[in-house]
Amino acid sequence: EAQVTQNPRYLITVTGKKLTVTCSQNMNHEYMSWYRQDPGLGLRQIYYSMNVEVTDKGDVPEGYKVSRKEKRNFPLILESPSPNQTSLYFCASSRPIGTGSYEQYFGPGTRLTVT
Amino acid sequence: SQQGEEDPQALSIQEGENATMNCSYKTSINNLQWYRQNSGRGLVHLILIRSNEREKHSGRLRVTLDTSKKSSSLLITASRAADTASYFCATLLTGANSKLTFGKGITLSVRP
Repeated sequence: EAQVTQNPRYLITVTGKKLTVTCSQNMNHEYMSWYRQDPGLGLRQIYYSMNVEVTDKGDVPEGYKVSRKEKRNFPLILESPSPNQTSLYFCASSRPIGTGSYEQYFGPGTRLTVT
Repeated sequence: SQQGEEDPQALSIQEGENATMNCSYKTSINNLQWYRQNSGRGLVHLILIRSNEREKHSGRLRVTLDTSKKSSSLLITASRAADTASYFCATLLTGANSKLTFGKGITLSVRP
């Protein structure tokens, strides 16, 4: 089954304790991205990756890191989490559906609480 | 300011009625997409309309695009309680390297 998986689905942690949220897709998509979703703010892109070893900042990259060593995996790293990073996080990968057109497949989400 | 802004923010209708949701955007787009999100879950792609298209249908969904007004509408006909969800429009800007910009979403409640 074609899917995007994220782990963990729920995480409660303390300020400053490094954490990684994993993301994996089995559709051989080149483009992957991370979003955070907050009430009243919608989805905001954190980082994206056009292909292996190619990553770039989205709209809200501060406090986050990513890596893309393999096509299928795109982990999100919070080196020193802070309470303002409490949010619902989504990983997505994109399928091209024509010239310049892409359809995004979203993972189930990771609800992170930083105390 | 937001590239894609949906209107209304929330909509409550009776089962069987039609639901119309609108999205406005500010700059030139390659395409516009609508996504659905059930509470606490990931977004699911519903339909895409390209900048050179004016209307598309998919089952009970009808999407229109007016590039002169920079607006789109999503119509769900004969709504069902299972259509209750949040709906987002997302725009792919011209030359944006597949980056989608999402609006804040519309909360649709369909009463049985």
